[in-house]
Amino acid sequence: SAVISQKPSRDICQRGTSLTIQCQVDSQVTMMFWYRQQPGQSLTLIATANQGSEATYESGFVIDKFPISRPNLTFSTLTVSNMSPEDSSIYLCSAQNPGQGYGYTFGSGTRLTVV
Amino acid sequence: QQQVKQSPQSLIVQKGGISIINCAYENTAFDYFPWYQQFPGKGPALLIAIRPDVSEKKEGRFTISFNKSAKQFSLHIMDSQPGDSATYFCAASCVGSPNAGGTSYGKLTFGQGTILTVHP
Repeated sequence: SAVISQKPSRDICQRGTSLTIQCQVDSQVTMMFWYRQQPGQSLTLIATANQGSEATYESGFVIDKFPISRPNLTFSTLTVSNMSPEDSSIYLCSAQNPGQGYGYTFGSGTRLTVV
Repeated sequence: QQQVKQSPQSLIVQKGGISIINCAYENTAFDYFPWYQQFPGKGPALLIAIRPDVSEKKEGRFTISFNKSAKQFSLHIMDSQPGDSATYFCAASCVGSPNAGGTSYGKLTFGQGTILTVHP
């Protein structure tokens, strides 16, 4: 399976600032995804990031708040902009495993606390 | 249409017992049903998955049972061990046909999660 490295693993940020989360995959993948997981909750899809096209956002998530880059087939970033305490959550990236049927691999997540 | 409903919310089982977690879905375009295991501080890890062309899939102590007509699937953990204590998520996706899946194609929709505790 693909291995995903995500960083930072955790951060504490001041409200009003922005944080960029990086996701590196050890193999080329077509589809990458960004999720949010609030403590004790399930995963909610933020957006789908495909190389060479604009990210596709789910209902309730907008590009101005969560800009995403996908410069190549192994890398993506998610920025959480103008943060507020409500953005405190775990952010996870995911990729569909190449040549592994349809399995999806997840990074270890970024635990964000906004104060 | 996009929901996946998971139950129970929490489950306590004695070592050696059977853990059963159930999920139900609504979107008939879903054709891929994975289960994920998540330990604290870690991302979800794929445990086992099934496609709708079979009714059951077994890998070691883990079995998925799938009922297409009822739009339900379940995870059975046989001989549960304390090391199985984790949060389990069912999920569903449409992976077979971009046309059939529409905006759901390739995206995982997760259930609410089940916190499993296995007592020694």
